[in-house]
Amino acid sequence: GENVEQHPSTLSVQEGDSAVIKCTYSDSASNYFPWYKQELGKRPQLIIDIRSNVGEKKDQRIAVTLNKTAKHFSLHITETQPEDSAVYFCAALAIAGNQFYFGTGTSLTVIP
Amino acid sequence: GAGVSQSPRYKVAKRGQDVALRCDPISGHVSLFWYQQALGQGPEFLTYFQNEAQLDKSGLPSDRFFAERPEGSVSTLKIQRTQQEDSAVYLCASSQESGHGTQYFGPGTRLLVL
Repeated sequence: GENVEQHPSTLSVQEGDSAVIKCTYSDSASNYFPWYKQELGKRPQLIIDIRSNVGEKKDQRIAVTLNKTAKHFSLHITETQPEDSAVYFCAALAIAGNQFYFGTGTSLTVIP
Repeated sequence: GAGVSQSPRYKVAKRGQDVALRCDPISGHVSLFWYQQALGQGPEFLTYFQNEAQLDKSGLPSDRFFAERPEGSVSTLKIQRTQQEDSAVYLCASSQESGHGTQYFGPGTRLLVL
């Protein structure tokens, strides 16, 4: 099955700096890659997603890039703000089934 | 409109007790997923429904876990003879489409087995 690895597990940045979180996946047939933000004790919220027919997608301060050849995708947050502090999860959808495989999460802290 | 809701939000059970966790998906959503999220980990897939059909239950960790969605809307995850290792947050998600649609998560049920 699919195996998703996520790095780093923790990340601290100064307010206004950029944050980058990286994920790799193993199943070359996966073609949908969402990113979720989860604040403490709350539900995961979709923040951005990308499908394998594009290499990059941007939504205001958030962007995701996908390298299908290398089987990795990254989340980029620019001009970070304290409210960006949360745990971020990447995921990959296995084509063979309907399972989302999640990474282990990155705890992002934005220091004011 | 209303999002995915789950009940109860918190459940404390004694080891060996049976529990039932409820998920109310977004109205009209075809797909429903259950995940288990251990502390500090990402959600792990348990099972998937398309309408009332359980198409994938490969993630259920043992035969003590059972899920149903008899009318294609509300779903119940039942855990029999709970064990301490069952302690986790159980997340439900629904999707408008089958397969590749965006999944919207509920707030989860935090289960603690003593």
